[in-house]
Amino acid sequence: NAGVMQNPRHLVRRRGQEARLRCSPMKGHSHVYWYRQLPEEGLKFMVYLQKENIIDESGMPKERFSAEFPKEGPSILRIQQVVRGDSAAYFCASSPSVGDTQYFGPGTRLTVL
Amino acid sequence: AQSVTQLDSQVPVFEEAPVELRCNYSSSVSVYLFWYVQYPNQGLQLLLKYLSGSTLVKGINGFEAEFNKSQTSFHLRKPSVHISDTAEYFCAVSEWGNNNDMRFGAGTRLTVKP
Repeated sequence: NAGVMQNPRHLVRRRGQEARLRCSPMKGHSHVYWYRQLPEEGLKFMVYLQKENIIDESGMPKERFSAEFPKEGPSILRIQQVVRGDSAAYFCASSPSVGDTQYFGPGTRLTVL
Repeated sequence: AQSVTQLDSQVPVFEEAPVELRCNYSSSVSVYLFWYVQYPNQGLQLLLKYLSGSTLVKGINGFEAEFNKSQTSFHLRKPSVHISDTAEYFCAVSEWGNNNDMRFGAGTRLTVKP
């Protein structure tokens, strides 16, 4: 059973461009979570999604950030008009049900030049 | 909302020495507690978790942690560390019935020296 997959592993963007981060949950997992890790800091919760629904986006910045988890395909975290402060590692986690253990992907390291 | 404090940002130890990484949490309801390890340039790997039952939890790689409700702590311990244990360790807490909002501590960097 493959683990949580994220791609790309490394992403470089110039200021003002768009960044798209993809996450494929573990097989059988329908709950996806996105976290951001800034340098020298812990993980900060961003958003929790189930298939086709955003359940909790209390940790998402109000502008430029959006997330989706379509019926088919991976979950996407989209950052529009990136700024240098968006440089961070973005981790996705999945679980089979709410209240269950979250399993993490290897992360996408976004660098904004 | 729940929160986590990891009291030590860095812990240097010599190989084969015992180690304890401290974690305290705050919550008004019952919680689940987790320890994750992050090796350089990798994602987080679950070390162990406390959901209910026995307060002493054993995890992978010889680690264990003890849930102490009165002290609101969940310290991680290993009796003898190896060089390969050098990594960042994160304590996390989520509240019963609200596992989508898992809060992480800032992390403790364990460095094992020969």
